[in-house]
Amino acid sequence: DGGITQSPKYLFRKEGQNVTLSCEQNLNHDAMYWYRQDPGQGLRLIYYSQIVNDFQKGDIAEGYSVSREKKESFPLTVTSAQKNPTAFYLCASQLRGANVLTFGAGSRLTVL
Amino acid sequence: QQPVQSPQAVILREGEDAVINCSSSKALYSVHWYRQKHGEAPVFLMILLKGGEQKGHDKISASFNEKKQQSSLYLTASQLSYSGTYFCGTENFGNEKLTFGTGTRLTIIP
Repeated sequence: DGGITQSPKYLFRKEGQNVTLSCEQNLNHDAMYWYRQDPGQGLRLIYYSQIVNDFQKGDIAEGYSVSREKKESFPLTVTSAQKNPTAFYLCASQLRGANVLTFGAGSRLTVL
Repeated sequence: QQPVQSPQAVILREGEDAVINCSSSKALYSVHWYRQKHGEAPVFLMILLKGGEQKGHDKISASFNEKKQQSSLYLTASQLSYSGTYFCGTENFGNEKLTFGTGTRLTIIP
């Protein structure tokens, strides 16, 4: 079955450590997105990529980095510069020309 | 800029109706609606592309008022399965990014 796989589902890290969240899709979608979800704040866009080797900052990119070396993969690194990294992170993908976003099941990051 | 959703939360008895509103401070190109059940990924419900467009399936429908820069989601004769958090996502002219609202938590009780 086609879909988006995010891993790990739960992650605990100490303050000051970088963390990389994985997002893989086998839908052959062109665009991929990372959103952060906090209670009462909805989904906020961190980074997005419409083609391989290209990506753009979203609304809250500070303290995060991404890469898009392969069409199916869009990993997100939460760096130590992110002041409040504890959150639920959602990855999504979209076929070019289509309007629908397909989301992964999310990764919950807790920084202790 | 994030669209504003109202209400933030609503509790209904099974069979009652609900309306969720989504407003933007900028001219809208499109409005998307998603539902997220607790602990799950958001799932696409529908998209409205033209001002005045109305769409729906089953007993969930939506309207798009381009002049007022807002959209409303209508849930008729609500079922237990409608429970979840509803998000609107908006696209503005000249901006390809989808910006989501803060969400409306809907709880349906028997």
